[in-house]
Amino acid sequence: KAGVTQTPRYLIKTRGQQVTLSCSPISGHRSVSWYQQTPGQGLQFLFEYFSETQRNKGNFPGRFSGRQFSNSRSEMNVSTLELGDSALYLCASSFGPDSPLHFGNGTRLTVT
Amino acid sequence: AQTVTQSQPEMSVQEAETVTLSCTYDTSESDYYLFWYKQPPSRQMILVIRQEAYKQQNATENRFSVNFQKAAKSFSLKISDSQLGDAAMYFCAYRSGGGYSGGGADGLTFGKGTHLIIQP
Repeated sequence: KAGVTQTPRYLIKTRGQQVTLSCSPISGHRSVSWYQQTPGQGLQFLFEYFSETQRNKGNFPGRFSGRQFSNSRSEMNVSTLELGDSALYLCASSFGPDSPLHFGNGTRLTVT
Repeated sequence: AQTVTQSQPEMSVQEAETVTLSCTYDTSESDYYLFWYKQPPSRQMILVIRQEAYKQQNATENRFSVNFQKAAKSFSLKISDSQLGDAAMYFCAYRSGGGYSGGGADGLTFGKGTHLIIQP
């Protein structure tokens, strides 16, 4: 069974640009959530989707957005990139809210 | 808001010995889940063990076991017979229960992590 797939693995962007990250969940999983990992702030919850609906959102500015498609694949978008957005972005999928999360390998975003 | 505290930034253990990683959490909820995740240099977060708060019995997965003290809000991870492959960052995490309709499932709250070093 294929795991959670995140693309791309590495990304370099310039301040002010926007970026879209993609996540394909494990087959059968309907919940996808996103996390940001930085050395200073650690792991922080961004948002969670279930059946194409955003169920919860972390404490991030509106520049961070996401969506989920009917096949459960998810994308997250960051607009007007700032240097502080440089981080490892992790996607996780699960069957639902009470099921364990399974993580992908992450996308390493560098903003210059 | 819930908080998770891992007081040991780094731990070192000899191969084949036992090590315990500490985690405490703060919550006013009664329905929740606790997890230990492992993150090796490959970056992927790997679920090590999961504990439901309503279960008194401590979870066990092969060489990994937890000591769940609900009243003390403590959730430590014991790794027996440590192996070189156990070297990684270990994160303790909390998640509200009750599903989406219960107002829970607001994502995982992670501790800062413990860097585990295995000495050969």
